[in-house]
Amino acid sequence: DGGITQSPKYLFRKEGQNVTLSCEQNLNHDAMYWYRQDPGQGLRLIYYSQIVNDFQKGDIAEGYSVSREKKESFPLTVTSAQKNPTAFYLCASSIWDSGAEKLFFGSGTQLSVL
Amino acid sequence: DQQVKQNSPSLSVQEGRISILNCDYTNSMFDYFLWYKKYPAEGPTFLISISSIKDKNEDGRFTVFLNKSAKHLSLHIVPSQPGDSAVYFCAASGRRGSTLGRLYFGRGTQLTVWP
Repeated sequence: DGGITQSPKYLFRKEGQNVTLSCEQNLNHDAMYWYRQDPGQGLRLIYYSQIVNDFQKGDIAEGYSVSREKKESFPLTVTSAQKNPTAFYLCASSIWDSGAEKLFFGSGTQLSVL
Repeated sequence: DQQVKQNSPSLSVQEGRISILNCDYTNSMFDYFLWYKKYPAEGPTFLISISSIKDKNEDGRFTVFLNKSAKHLSLHIVPSQPGDSAVYFCAASGRRGSTLGRLYFGRGTQLTVWP
């Protein structure tokens, strides 16, 4: 059963704490993405990786870090430098099909600050 | 600065009627346009797409229209059903390998279909 798995579904962060969101895919896709959704803000790109051991900053990378040591995994760390981390985080992988990139999303992680 | 804009944050339609969701973009180099549908606490799912070489693409109850000169696209849902109630995101991308070779999303439109 192919897909993208995000865990945990809900996560709570204390002040000054780093937390890591997990994203695993078994679709054999090269590219993976992290987006953040806030009410009324749509989907904003945090980081993306087009190949193992390489990643680029998206539009709102400050306060976040990622790694891509394996094709299947693209974890996102929300550091204490991210001052407003409460949001719904979405991981995605993609394929290029007929000239267009199509994203496949996980079910998301809701991060809240205690 | 938003390159893909959905200016209506919400739309309410009666069941059986047509829903029309609108999207505008600013960059004429966008090559491909997609619509995603999202339910609360779930990831978006791909709905329908259109290439810049076409002006219409249809899939069942869903049709996307593209007006390149106006940099405008719209999603028509006919007939609308209560299960269509969700947030709809418009997205655009350029050619692979170009600086626009990634998806740019609008802020979404919440569609509510009432019985």
